[in-house]
Amino acid sequence: DADVTQTPRNRITKTGKRIMLECSQTKGHDRMYWYRQDPGLGLRLIYYSFDVKDINKGEISDGYSVSRQAQAKFSLSLESAIPNQTALYFCATSSARFYGYTFGSGTRLTVV
Amino acid sequence: AQSVTQPDIHITVSEGASLELRCNYSYGATPYLFWYVQSPGQGLQLLLKYFSGDTLVQGIKGFEAEFKRSQSSFNLRKPSVHWSDAAEYFCAQDLIFGKGTKLSVKP
Repeated sequence: DADVTQTPRNRITKTGKRIMLECSQTKGHDRMYWYRQDPGLGLRLIYYSFDVKDINKGEISDGYSVSRQAQAKFSLSLESAIPNQTALYFCATSSARFYGYTFGSGTRLTVV
Repeated sequence: AQSVTQPDIHITVSEGASLELRCNYSYGATPYLFWYVQSPGQGLQLLLKYFSGDTLVQGIKGFEAEFKRSQSSFNLRKPSVHWSDAAEYFCAQDLIFGKGTKLSVKP
């Protein structure tokens, strides 16, 4: 099994719908992150969490919310999806600031 | 605010040639710097990292990077590129990523 698992892998949803992307990890890492990737824009940070009781906004948190249900689980929600949220979403984990990330395989989300 | 600049959007090199991908980072007393690689349709994999010590760091797949504080740079190098190195490469400082450099390899 993968160290960082994202579900679903692909999702098409309609404008205005609520959708949740899930991430679970077996690395035992305290730190978890959500990024979105758009062509030509690299990865942009949406939210991050350094432990279960710590949630922080990233540079593009508007329109998103997160839940850290346990050390191993970090979910990203789009309360009312819009087409410009169409992107590839990555979850990542790390044990400390200087170790770098372990990434999931990504969720490709299309909002129509 | 922190920023990471990768000046080259797309680079093409011949197989066997040397490679250097550029990365400039913004301020930071102790920059936590990373290079990641993303193969087509895949997630990102950590190539190497730097936060202190020897300024020349070795990574996986034969890559290395040199930290130069005076130039705010952390350039990625490989002496001889293989066709399998074709991918997109991302430089990151702490939580912030650059926009990536796509590497194509000519036979």
